[in-house]
Amino acid sequence: DQQVKQNSPSLSVQEGRISILNCDYTNSMFDYFLWYKKYPAEGPTFLISISSIKDKNEDGRFTVFLNKSAKHLSLHIVPSQPGDSAVYFCAASERVVGNEKLTFGTGTRLTIIP
Amino acid sequence: GAVVSQHPSRVICKSGTSVKIECRSLDFQATTMFWYRQFPKQSLMLMATSNEGSKATYEQGVEKDKFLINHASLTLSTLTVTSAHPEDSSFYICSAGGAWAEAFFGQGTRLTVV
Repeated sequence: DQQVKQNSPSLSVQEGRISILNCDYTNSMFDYFLWYKKYPAEGPTFLISISSIKDKNEDGRFTVFLNKSAKHLSLHIVPSQPGDSAVYFCAASERVVGNEKLTFGTGTRLTIIP
Repeated sequence: GAVVSQHPSRVICKSGTSVKIECRSLDFQATTMFWYRQFPKQSLMLMATSNEGSKATYEQGVEKDKFLINHASLTLSTLTVTSAHPEDSSFYICSAGGAWAEAFFGQGTRLTVV
């Protein structure tokens, strides 16, 4: 049962344009969401996170939007740069003391076209 | 920033042998570390939670006798794949620091069993 889903396995965006990556979840107990970026043969690196008490969090070129009623979050990257080409994973967690497990989506491969 | 180091980055072993993968937190103490496995084009699947000084907690479907986890100190967790078979070939990744602190991931280990 895939509790966190990224329905687009790949996405190509022109350099300078906006990249929008989407993520859906089914577990209503999730209250903390994260985005990770991963290059081949490397571990993921943290990008940005959002708590369920917010609907938006912004960090430089990266903005994450959360729609709790729709159980949907998205990552916006603007402007997109060639170095953004990577696989992006969304992850979710219940912020319960003693439970720090992350549930990952299947990832979206973003390709930025120069 | 915090760094998690994983070793080796690549290993090739013969069927039936055992392989040990190390995960170290370099500049912080981690009472909990996580071990993930990633198949090609698939999500990161949590295998087990490694707890310092106590037994690991395995996810459903993960054989604890096959994937031995030892967390003997606050900076080191090891995953030993015992009696490896070709189907164990995968990308194994560890992390330290949970969702509350945005997990830091190791570089990953590409295991190939021949």
